[in-house]
Amino acid sequence: GNSVTQMEGPVTLSEEAFLTINCTYTATGYPSLFWYVQYPGEGLQLLLKATKADDKGSNKGFEATYRKETTSFHLEKGSVQVSDSAVYFCALKRETSGSRLTFGEGTQLTVNP
Amino acid sequence: AAGVIQSPRHLIKEKRETATLKCYPIPRHDTVYWYQQGPGQDPQFLISFYEKMQSDKGSIPDRFSAQQFSDYHSELNMSSLELGDSALYFCASRGAGASYEQYFGPGTRLTVT
Repeated sequence: GNSVTQMEGPVTLSEEAFLTINCTYTATGYPSLFWYVQYPGEGLQLLLKATKADDKGSNKGFEATYRKETTSFHLEKGSVQVSDSAVYFCALKRETSGSRLTFGEGTQLTVNP
Repeated sequence: AAGVIQSPRHLIKEKRETATLKCYPIPRHDTVYWYQQGPGQDPQFLISFYEKMQSDKGSIPDRFSAQQFSDYHSELNMSSLELGDSALYFCASRGAGASYEQYFGPGTRLTVT
């Protein structure tokens, strides 16, 4: 079956530090990959996505590249801000339309000033 | 831009009671998904509807039922509530012919006492 594995959290960084959150997946075919962010007390917001191998998703300074050879979709940001503190979820979706999202366990990020 | 609306935002019920959660998708979105997120856990897919028909089913207990109405809003009915049903329930919607992107609502926090 499909599954997503994220690096264990929580992650605590100082402002302007470099961020990497690892995500690997197991899936048949060619899934689409996503990163969602959840701020305290709020719903899930789509951060970025990639739909095929070697695609790079980017938004708000965050980037992730769909690597089929390593089945990975690691999230990176060159300089984090306090406002980036949130829970980050990696997710996949099978290539067929209307399919469910399968989420990773989530990684809590705290950025200190 | 209009977003997914969920009501109520918070709900407190006692064991063995029933609850109804409502979801109003983004206008012209025809697919609705329900997810359950337990405390500190990743969202788990429950059920989805496309054009008022059930399109996929996940780990939804038999005590729960759901439907999508002619105006595309959806309701999740939960009976014989248990303490373990306490969670954040998200609804997401997706438009026809879109890039399979699901837009999440703010969630309904259900507390069973």
